[in-house]
Amino acid sequence: QKEVEQDPGPLSVPEGAIVSLNCTYSNSAFQYFMWYRQYSRKGPELLMYTYSSGNKEDGRFTAQVDKSSKYISLFIRDSQPSDSATYLCAMSDGSARQLTFGSGTQLTVLP
Amino acid sequence: EPEVTQTPSHQVTQMGQEVILRCVPISNHLYFYWYRQILGQKVEFLVSFYNNEISEKSEIFDDQFSVERPDGSNFTLKIRSTKLEDSAMYFCASSEAGVAGGRRSGELFFGEGSRLTVL
Repeated sequence: QKEVEQDPGPLSVPEGAIVSLNCTYSNSAFQYFMWYRQYSRKGPELLMYTYSSGNKEDGRFTAQVDKSSKYISLFIRDSQPSDSATYLCAMSDGSARQLTFGSGTQLTVLP
Repeated sequence: EPEVTQTPSHQVTQMGQEVILRCVPISNHLYFYWYRQILGQKVEFLVSFYNNEISEKSEIFDDQFSVERPDGSNFTLKIRSTKLEDSAMYFCASSEAGVAGGRRSGELFFGEGSRLTVL
């Protein structure tokens, strides 16, 4: 079983749609959860950072963590064509310096 | 806005050759990392570096790999004898603190990557 599983997509939605991106994980030691956005041929860029179960909102983005189910989500409201990118979930147990990434979901928002 | 810079953006090399990838982390950051991403696959951790020494490394980071911070500003990744399977995008990252440092100080800032092609 992979440590972090993420649906690779591709996911295509019309502009203005609500997008839901998800990851599951198997390592119960993970405490820190992040969502990164990666545009083509660029490095990952941090979108959201959470360390507890529940929801965290930042503008059009909401990160949700359910540690009991080992499941995290990123919701994008009022999606825009500029949101078209690959979205990576990443996790850490905090004691380590490293992040464990999901495989990424490729999102296209159509104008 | 401060950023992590990497050179070269693309390097093509022959199998068995040595390659050095260079990175300039953000100036006040203390933690440095190398990750790689093989085309179509996930971003994988290679090594982290703090206080002039390796703090963690993955199974990928074998004896063919080494890192160095030669002059207080650059952070380099050396691959001694490249193999075909080393072809990937290599990302350097830096952070003020470790991952547990919170959103502001624990955030990893990634460079744009160095694409390595081994023929």
